[in-house]
Amino acid sequence: SQQGEEDPQALSIQEGENATMNCSYKTSINNLQWYRQNSGRGLVHLILIRSNEREKHSGRLRVTLDTSKKSSSLLITASRAADTASYFCATTGANSKLTFGKGITLSVRP
Amino acid sequence: SQTIHQWPATLVQPVGSPLSLECTVEGTSNPNLYWYRQAAGRGLQLLFYSVGIGQISSEVPQNLSASRPQDRQFILSSKKLLLSDSGFYLCAWSGKKGASNQPQHFGDGTRLSIL
Repeated sequence: SQQGEEDPQALSIQEGENATMNCSYKTSINNLQWYRQNSGRGLVHLILIRSNEREKHSGRLRVTLDTSKKSSSLLITASRAADTASYFCATTGANSKLTFGKGITLSVRP
Repeated sequence: SQTIHQWPATLVQPVGSPLSLECTVEGTSNPNLYWYRQAAGRGLQLLFYSVGIGQISSEVPQNLSASRPQDRQFILSSKKLLLSDSGFYLCAWSGKKGASNQPQHFGDGTRLSIL
């Protein structure tokens, strides 16, 4: 069963704007990860945030984690056309296996 | 650096035919290996994972099987394909150190169409 649920399902923004994507989950986690998937390709790992962390940055990416609300957000600042892709959150529980959400389709218009 | 290779990239097979998809990892040893299936517009469903040679765990009952004959080789097979086996199949690996906090690294997938 899928634990993570992303919101919104689809997002369309103008190049240069910020994109915010949300993920909610149901059970306790060791960490939460975000992945990107370009059309027809495999997934690329973006960032991992552990359950005892609240915020993490990597380049133009900012991830927050609120374990009390069982939610996470991924912010992409100053978006580019090349950011157009599907974005997935995935949670890891005690068994080290990843459980993925259904993904968010991000379109960045040039 | 580590790389992961999957082949073929696309495959069209008739119903009832056998299947063999191969995945190999380079640049690391003793990885955890995974097979996922992704239906159109959906997330990934874990099919099999392996922590070592000959060690396979199945996540869902299905028409598929997996084998790990060598440390960095993971094979997905079927004796008789069903229409419902169509999908995008992804192989991934992760390191073992601090396993629950390791990211997974994916191949480029195989698009399987059953006719």
